[in-house]
Amino acid sequence: EVQLLESGGGLVQPGGSLRLSCAASGFTFDSYAMSWVRQAPGKGLEWVSVTRNSDISTYYADSVKDRFTISRDNSKNTLYLEMSSLRAEDTAVYYCARAFRSSSPYYFDYWGQGTLVTVSS
Amino acid sequence: EIVLTQSPATLSLSPGERATLSCRASQSVSSYLAWYQQKPGQAPRLLIYDASNRATGIPARFGGSGSGTDFTLTISSLEPEDFAIYYCQQRSYWPITFGQGTRLEIK
Repeated sequence: EVQLLESGGGLVQPGGSLRLSCAASGFTFDSYAMSWVRQAPGKGLEWVSVTRNSDISTYYADSVKDRFTISRDNSKNTLYLEMSSLRAEDTAVYYCARAFRSSSPYYFDYWGQGTLVTVSS
Repeated sequence: EIVLTQSPATLSLSPGERATLSCRASQSVSSYLAWYQQKPGQAPRLLIYDASNRATGIPARFGGSGSGTDFTLTISSLEPEDFAIYYCQQRSYWPITFGQGTRLEIK
């Protein structure tokens, strides 16, 4: 059974930093691109970033470019999102999602339950 | 950036009725469009990919159609568990974008 378990969310002050993790199990992690998608409270879905499995290429939404860094440790089956210079508008539930099929850009077939990041003073 | 516009914002129907949800793209995305269902407090679930293909385990009452800029998600006969928010998503161009969602509520 595919499982994605996010952790690392919490309350952080504006300008601060946070690292999210996503522990994956039930599939061959290094065979899949992986992504982060966020959802502000009461709002819709916003794609944040993706890392490919083949060449570890990364892509970012303009809203987080140069502030967030996606990475993965295939030996630990874990996806990360390093977030810095956080703003109030980054407040959201952050979902880890597995890319569906291998050709980019992607759809997402499995999602974690999300971790809440709140940016507030 | 491809903008996806979903309509209506809210759809009020009764169980057993047919639901038709629309997603319009600001430019052609070919058939690279997916639909997701999200229930309160839950993660999204992939329903339809490439405009008309049901994902694994999705009931046959869910159907997708369209290409280019106009897409439709149809639920042939609503079950109580189908009342949720539905999002479309394109993978034709970076950045990946989602529509703003259609809330399907019980009438």
